[in-house]
Amino acid sequence: AQSVTQLGSHVSVSEGALVLLRCNYSSSVPPYLFWYVQYPNQGLQLLLKYTSAATLVKGINGFEAEFKKSETSFHLTKPSAHMSDAAEYFCAVRMNTGTASKLTFGTGTRLQVTL
Amino acid sequence: KAGVTQTPRYLIKTRGQQVTLSCSPISGHRSVSWYQQTPGQGLQFLFEYFSETQRNKGNFPGRFSGRQFSNSRSEMNVSTLELGDSALYLCASSLVELNTEAFFGQGTRLTVV
Repeated sequence: AQSVTQLGSHVSVSEGALVLLRCNYSSSVPPYLFWYVQYPNQGLQLLLKYTSAATLVKGINGFEAEFKKSETSFHLTKPSAHMSDAAEYFCAVRMNTGTASKLTFGTGTRLQVTL
Repeated sequence: KAGVTQTPRYLIKTRGQQVTLSCSPISGHRSVSWYQQTPGQGLQFLFEYFSETQRNKGNFPGRFSGRQFSNSRSEMNVSTLELGDSALYLCASSLVELNTEAFFGQGTRLTVV
């Protein structure tokens, strides 16, 4: 079975500081991995995805993530936080075999950006 | 191109009633999935439809059901509503290939009183 663990339900950074949101996955086969962002009372917006091409994936709004198979990790980073980055972030995994098309989400990390 | 459209955005229902939520996927997307989001349980997969057939189902009671029409639009129905069904219900559409992302609607906020 596939699963995702997000370490830290709340992360607070200063504006301009590095953002690091952690995600570890468990999957019996190489997975597809996604990071989504959710603003209050909104749906989920895709930030980036890993689909077994390049291990360093660049997404929107300056975010990127690196797939590390040896660590089963897919951490999300951004060099310099902006106030508009304050939101909840979800890591998700999807198996790449058969018809297992559902996404399994982590519990989410709420990012707070302070002045 | 228009995104995923969910209607209504907000809904208030009484315990014991039933409710139907609607989702129109992105044009050309044949897979539609539904998720329930609550503060306690997070994002939970309900079911997925592809070409009018339920392809995957999550671990929810039979009160939760859905269907998909020939134009890929989908509805989900919850019967005999309970207070615990209060949640944000999200619909996502995607292409059939597994390496493609799911696009989410803004959700329907259901409150059961």
